[in-house]
Amino acid sequence: NAGVTQTPKFQVLKTGQSMTLQCAQDMNHNSMYWYRQDPGMGLRLIYYSASEGTTDKGEVPNGYNVSRLNKREFSLRLESAAPSQTSVYFCASSDLVFYGYTFGSGTRLTVV
Amino acid sequence: QKEVEQNSGPLSVPEGAIASLNCTYSDRGSQSFFWYRQYSGKSPELIMSIYSNGDKEDGRFTAQLNKASQYVSLLIRDSQPSDSATYLCAVSTGGGNKLTFGTGTQLKVEL
Repeated sequence: NAGVTQTPKFQVLKTGQSMTLQCAQDMNHNSMYWYRQDPGMGLRLIYYSASEGTTDKGEVPNGYNVSRLNKREFSLRLESAAPSQTSVYFCASSDLVFYGYTFGSGTRLTVV
Repeated sequence: QKEVEQNSGPLSVPEGAIASLNCTYSDRGSQSFFWYRQYSGKSPELIMSIYSNGDKEDGRFTAQLNKASQYVSLLIRDSQPSDSATYLCAVSTGGGNKLTFGTGTQLKVEL
């Protein structure tokens, strides 16, 4: 019963480097989400996928791209990392938002 | 105005006391309301959900919802040191297909 698995758990990037954060869920959930969490700012939605084959922008999409690879997997890509993208990134999934989300354990990203 | 507002705290209560956490929201169309608990360095964990006006109790936790006042609260009875965490209020928005979170209230339960 893994739930939502995120990789990597920690990453340090240099400004301008690219990377992809991976997220997979084994609960057969339809919807998946990427949030970032910064001190004093709370959880802010970057992108979400309400169902396989669809993606939508959230509150803070600039600098990010996403891919809903299949029903299980939803990846977040930083094409050219900037120090402002230093944050903790959480992936979440839900069957119906009505029931709330299940979160992954997070990725702590530092861009230097 | 933020969509979901919480007092950041810290809220300090003695062990055994009742902790009261509050949240207001701006989207009158919101239908689902949640409280998440987040320990330092960990991911948020769902502890309560509420959908209709009134109270909902689960063990030591009671969630209260007043849609007319756009207000959600969480009461924690017999507070324990293990309850020390940040509590996030979340509200369904955007037609109900995503959650918007408050910035969280830090609770400290003191011995």
